This record gives sequence, structure tokens and C-alpha cells, in this order.
Amino acid sequence: DAGVIQSPRHEVTEMGQEVTLRCKPISGHNSLFWYRQTMMRGLELLIYFNNNVPIDDSGMPEDRFSAKMPNASFSTLKIQPSEPRDSAVYFCASTLSGNTIYFGEGSWLTVV
Amino acid sequence: AQSVAQPEDQVNVAEGNPLTVKCTYSVSGNPYLFWYVQYPNRGLQFLLKYITGDNLVKGSYGFEAEFNKSQTSFHLKKPSALVSDSALYFCAVSEYGNKLVFGAGTILRVKS
Repeated sequence: DAGVIQSPRHEVTEMGQEVTLRCKPISGHNSLFWYRQTMMRGLELLIYFNNNVPIDDSGMPEDRFSAKMPNASFSTLKIQPSEPRDSAVYFCASTLSGNTIYFGEGSWLTVV
Repeated sequence: AQSVAQPEDQVNVAEGNPLTVKCTYSVSGNPYLFWYVQYPNRGLQFLLKYITGDNLVKGSYGFEAEFNKSQTSFHLKKPSALVSDSALYFCAVSEYGNKLVFGAGTILRVKS
């Protein structure tokens, strides 16, 4: 099993640029989560999807953040425009119907 | 709303000694409880979970956790610590097996 696959692993971008993070969940899983990890705030849930439908996006910090899940095997998290305070590790995770949630290796984002 | 408290920022233990990492939770319904471990520059790895059944749950790498409903606790334990157990440990709770809410994390340092 390939696990949850995220890309890019590392991204350095300039303030104001658009950032797109990508995630491929584990095959057969029907729920997908995007988390953000920072030193100050720890692990925060940004948004989660069930059967490709956004269920709870209350953690999305601002309108600059958007997430999509066009099909069961792909999701994106987009930040436009990016700001230095968006620098964090972004994790994608997936699960099947309330079982164990498995995490990807994360996307390390630095906005300068 | 559910929440998790990990009262210790760091736990230090000598190799070969037993270790305990503490976790208390708050949830309105029946809790689904999890422990994850994070090594430097890596994603979160699942260790163990409690959903129902025996209060003592055994997981990966010799770890176990005890669910105590009256004390709303789910402490992580290991009888004999290894230097390689040094990492960041997260306790998490969910209601009905959907989104996870994480504690702030506890750094475990095992010294030889």
C-alpha cells in the first residue's frame, strides 16, 4: 500500500504567489482531511471531505485558502495569495468510514 | 466540542525504564481515542486506538494505552523505553470516528 501521497514535499515561494498542494489518498478511503502544523498552534484541521464533498471547512483560515476534491483519488489545497504567516507543514490524511486516519509525509511550505 | 490535553511538554526517561505520556480528553459522546508519533521531518504515524472493548489497548512498537472513563484519560505507556522511541507524541480524540482533534504534543526523550 502506497499510503497517502503528498506533493510537493518542500516548497519555498515568494509572498503573493499562488501555492498549490496536492494529495492522493489511500485507495478505497472515503474521507480526506487537510491539517496544518505550526509551532504556535499545533495541529489544526483545515477542512475535511466525505465522499468528495466538503463537510467541515470551519478551520480554513481565510478566503485565501481553498480546497477541492474533484474525485476520490485527488485533492488540492490552494493558497492565493500566499503570505509569510502561511509558512507551516500541511498534512493530508485519509480514512475509510471512521477507521484509523492515516497521514501523508506532509508538505513543508515556506513563504518569504 | 471535543478537546485533548497533554499536560507535559516533555517527558524524560532513561533507556530501559518504563515510560508514561499523559493524555486527558473531553467529548460529549463516546470517544474514539488515538495516539500518533511524529519523528523529525516526518508525518504522523499511527500507534494505537481505543474505540470500544478492553480498556487496555496494545499497539505498535510495544506501546499500550489504558482508557479510563471516570478520569477521562488515555495515557500512553511502554514497559521499557528505547532511545529510538524519542519523538513527538500526539493524543487525539474524535466523535463518531470522524475528524480528529489533537493535543499539543509531548516530546519524549529517552537517554541511554
